[in-house]
Amino acid sequence: QQQVKQSPQSLIVQKGGISIINCAYENTAFDYFPWYQQFPGKGPALLIAIRPDVSEKKEGRFTISFNKSAKQFSLHIMDSQPGDSATYFCAASKSNTGKLIFGQGTTLQVKP
Amino acid sequence: GAGVSQSPSNKVTEKGKDVELRCDPISGHTALYWYRQSLGQGLEFLIYFQGNSAPDKSGLPSDRFSAERTGGSVSTLTIQRTQQEDSAVYLCASSFSGLSGTEAFFGQGTRLTVV
Repeated sequence: QQQVKQSPQSLIVQKGGISIINCAYENTAFDYFPWYQQFPGKGPALLIAIRPDVSEKKEGRFTISFNKSAKQFSLHIMDSQPGDSATYFCAASKSNTGKLIFGQGTTLQVKP
Repeated sequence: GAGVSQSPSNKVTEKGKDVELRCDPISGHTALYWYRQSLGQGLEFLIYFQGNSAPDKSGLPSDRFSAERTGGSVSTLTIQRTQQEDSAVYLCASSFSGLSGTEAFFGQGTRLTVV
């Protein structure tokens, strides 16, 4: 069963533009929502994360927006750069475990 | 080592053979996870070890898959009688604790190709 659904599957953005990736979850027991960034040939690395008690978290050019009632969260990359080209995964976990349930991933290409 | 180390980085095996994939977690991390990443797919949870607790094996796709973690450190994922659909990148991750919200650090993965 797919508990975390991610869209779009791929995204092309011009340099300087805004990249937006969306995720939806089903299980209301989830209480931690991280985003991971993965470059080719590398393992995923934590980019930014949020808990459901806040609606937004910003770190530099990266922002998570969280809508608890809609069970949705999204990643916004402002002023997208070619170096941001990577695969992005959203994920979720429940309070009693560190086990992460991942979305299907979004391949982002930022064109110069 | 500074990070999670996996070996081998690449493995080609014949259908029907058994393979063992190794993961060395970050020292001091009590939680260890195995995930599988198939081409164009997300990260599929396989198994999770937390301290001395019984492992969460709920993600193992069949009884051909097994894993162990010795001495609370190194882990080995074993796939018996490999099939072509087992071809994927197998990723290991570790975290300081097994609690939600603790950052998971991933290794670079083992790319398994079954021919």
